[in-house]
Amino acid sequence: GQSLEQPSEVTAVEGAIVQINCTYQTSGFYGLSWYQQHDGGAPTFLSYNGLDGLEETGRFSSFLSRSDSYGYLLLQELQMKDSASYFCAVRVTGGFKTIFGAGTRLFVKA
Amino acid sequence: SAVISQKPSRDICQRGTSLTIQCQVDSQVTMMFWYRQQPGQSLTLIATANQGSEATYESGFVIDKFPISRPNLTFSTLTVSNMSPEDSSIYLCSVEIGQGEGKLFFGSGTQLSVL
Repeated sequence: GQSLEQPSEVTAVEGAIVQINCTYQTSGFYGLSWYQQHDGGAPTFLSYNGLDGLEETGRFSSFLSRSDSYGYLLLQELQMKDSASYFCAVRVTGGFKTIFGAGTRLFVKA
Repeated sequence: SAVISQKPSRDICQRGTSLTIQCQVDSQVTMMFWYRQQPGQSLTLIATANQGSEATYESGFVIDKFPISRPNLTFSTLTVSNMSPEDSSIYLCSVEIGQGEGKLFFGSGTQLSVL
């Protein structure tokens, strides 16, 4: 089967750094990606890791360890607009489809 | 990137009827995906639609209930057939852009309510 686990909620203050972890168990693995979704909106792509290591895109970074079936999304210099749901997702080799985790709701407080 | 137009954006339907959701992409894409999302929940993959072949459905989803068309590389439809209140959800189409970069772009979604 396929499963992705991530915390359901995280709360942090403006300007802080927050890390959202994701562990996965899938039959076939191609890469790990992260998506942001604001209430009432569609998911938007944030980052993708196909290989081990850190990928940095502005205030957001993502990390992958394939041997540990683990990754995280790091958000720096948090802003109020970062309050949203964040989904980790695995692109599996069978059919090249993407399976999503349950999502982490991030609350940023002033 | 890709611009995806999805319609309708929302609809309220009577049980037993069917609704067809359309998804138009501004560039040619090989694979299109249809997801379902309950409010506050994760995205569940319904099926993968490839042009020129039948859609591939995930466990729990069948073609009779969710027929999909993919007539060309820029367009797809998903029909929700013989609807019941359990079908009330947000339906999203998405496409993958790039060569195996795991980058999905989503349409704005169709919020379906079945009475």
